Amino acid sequence: ETGVTQTPRHLVMGMTNKKSLKCEQHLGHNAMYWYKQSAKKPLELMFVYSLEERVENNSVPSRFSPECPNSSHLFLHLHTLQPEDSALYLCASSQALAGGPDEQFFGPGTRLTVL
Amino acid sequence: GQNIDQPTEMTATEGAIVQINCTYQTSGFNGLFWYQQHAGEAPTFLSYNVLDGLEEKGRFSSFLSRSKGYSYLLLKELQMKDSASYLCAVSDSNYQLIWGAGTKLIIKP
Repeated sequence: ETGVTQTPRHLVMGMTNKKSLKCEQHLGHNAMYWYKQSAKKPLELMFVYSLEERVENNSVPSRFSPECPNSSHLFLHLHTLQPEDSALYLCASSQALAGGPDEQFFGPGTRLTVL
Repeated sequence: GQNIDQPTEMTATEGAIVQINCTYQTSGFNGLFWYQQHAGEAPTFLSYNVLDGLEEKGRFSSFLSRSKGYSYLLLKELQMKDSASYLCAVSDSNYQLIWGAGTKLIIKP
């Protein structure tokens, strides 16, 4: 595997279900991100982890719970979601350099539908 | 607030040239990125500008004017495979990327 991988690619769940999205990066990067992408809207940054520590949480509802067990893996645990949470969830990684902008590498995303 | 504006959709003809504009208002500036995203796929990096001027990379060029808060992506010799969404993103004072909603480019034969 190369780059950034995400599983599953598609997920349909009811509002009472619990599921998890998985992301893995094979690039040796030290930062990982979760984004939400809705149609015709800008990418919304949800969570940022740098060196496995969460450094950013943009007021995301508690029904989304991230987990970063090591620098290569990132999870997004989902529970009691709402239909408006249906979107494409993208994972990205970067080699975050101190004091410098960095290119982010994206996974293919998980298309989530909440019924 | 922070804001990135780009057209929602553009149409161009195969073999022609198209310019996609992006204007921004952000708290600080540490560079501007352009990404390409084909339908159902991951965004992929196209270009990065931090200084004023034009950066050329094959058929694609990106221009930046920091004083005007303005950038454009220029695509030459358009091919059908260039049909995609093009995302503009600015790195702000905290090096966080602020994203535009993307421009959907439709290429017609």
